[in-house]
Amino acid sequence: GAGVSQSPSNKVTEKGKDVELRCDPISGHTALYWYRQRLGQGLEFLIYFQGNSAPDKSGLPSDRFSAERTGESVSTLTIQRTQQEDSAVYLCASSFRDREPDFGPGTRLTVT
Amino acid sequence: AQKVTQAQTEISVVEKEDVTLDCVYETRDTTYYLFWYKQPPSGELVFLIRRNSFDEQNEISGRYSWNFQKSTSSFNFTITASQVVDSAVYFCALRIANFGNEKLTFGTGTRLTIIP
Repeated sequence: GAGVSQSPSNKVTEKGKDVELRCDPISGHTALYWYRQRLGQGLEFLIYFQGNSAPDKSGLPSDRFSAERTGESVSTLTIQRTQQEDSAVYLCASSFRDREPDFGPGTRLTVT
Repeated sequence: AQKVTQAQTEISVVEKEDVTLDCVYETRDTTYYLFWYKQPPSGELVFLIRRNSFDEQNEISGRYSWNFQKSTSSFNFTITASQVVDSAVYFCALRIANFGNEKLTFGTGTRLTIIP
């Protein structure tokens, strides 16, 4: 079946602009995760959804970052007033119960 | 809070050598899951194995094997007879089995380079 999809695959934006990154999880997966991976670095946890609620937002780096999930499906990560340090690959993953999370291909964000 | 430590930042071995990647975790929960993922140069994260905290049996899959020891909170990964295609960054991860709080915590990764 279809895996986790993310769009856009690449995004170049000017400093100060807002961006929206989208994640379409695997149908039926209840948990959804967002991670950030800077070049050559590990995976930095941003936020986790169970259904449409976010029990853990502890990883959002600032109030410029927000995320929502609707219909226990698609999720959007919004970054307002982007900064150069926001440049990274943003990865989304989804999972069902105790199964392993499936990762999407990521969105590469470049802030110029 | 959960924590995963991968102390080896980078490892290089000559092809056909065996190599072990270390993973040490911390959690106060008694029920949890451990994972290993591979991230090749192409960037996608590839799932390798999932292990729950009640199953300490070692697992072998082809050239890959995993050694889970609760006594030392370790979940090490060994590649036997390494190949160039094994070159990648490998991540160990931990998730507690608490419905409603299933944050997945990753280690910082180990970059493995297999030298032909």
